Amino acid sequence: DTGVSQDPRHKITKRGQNVTFRCDPISEHNRLYWYRQTLGQGPEFLTYFQNEAQLEKSRLLSDRFSAERPKGSFSTLEIQRTEQGDSAMYLCASSPGLATDTQYFGPGTRLTVL
Amino acid sequence: DQQVKQNSPSLSVQEGRISILNCDYTNSMFDYFLWYKKYPAEGPTFLISISSIKDKNEDGRFTVFLNKSAKHLSLHIVPSQPGDSAVYFCAARTAQKLVFGQGTRLTINP
Repeated sequence: DTGVSQDPRHKITKRGQNVTFRCDPISEHNRLYWYRQTLGQGPEFLTYFQNEAQLEKSRLLSDRFSAERPKGSFSTLEIQRTEQGDSAMYLCASSPGLATDTQYFGPGTRLTVL
Repeated sequence: DQQVKQNSPSLSVQEGRISILNCDYTNSMFDYFLWYKKYPAEGPTFLISISSIKDKNEDGRFTVFLNKSAKHLSLHIVPSQPGDSAVYFCAARTAQKLVFGQGTRLTINP
């Protein structure tokens, strides 16, 4: 069990560009979550998947954001036409889908929009 | 609206003493509470959790207490060690998503 992995760890982009992040959950975890964390705040929920189905999206997830989990394994989060306000740490977590269902987090992708 | 609050941005404790981190919540529908520890440039690491039907859970040096009537959660670390220096987040679960507090930076002094 290698834990949740995310790629890239850091991304610097110019305003208006599109970016895509990848998350590989702990194997056999059927739930996958995306959160965003800005400086001085706790992580904020964005969306989550049960296998390949996207079951909930936060109102924080504007139309410029899209997440997929096509085969129920890894997930991608794409941000189109990035804005400076998108600069944040994007965290991915996975859980086994059991009653206690603890979420385990990856190291995050730090996005800086210039 | 801030459903989960950690009112102390920072806490400084001497090595070997007890560290007590506090968290308040407003939503009665939360069914599970968790504490995470975070180092700079890393994701949150799970520490300990408690179901809403319990009032105490213990794991080694870490104990979490839940007072449902007061909507209050606390994490006790005994004895505190230098490696415990980090930012601690409490989180509450509702409908599969976690709602986090703002975090408390714990510093353990030698």
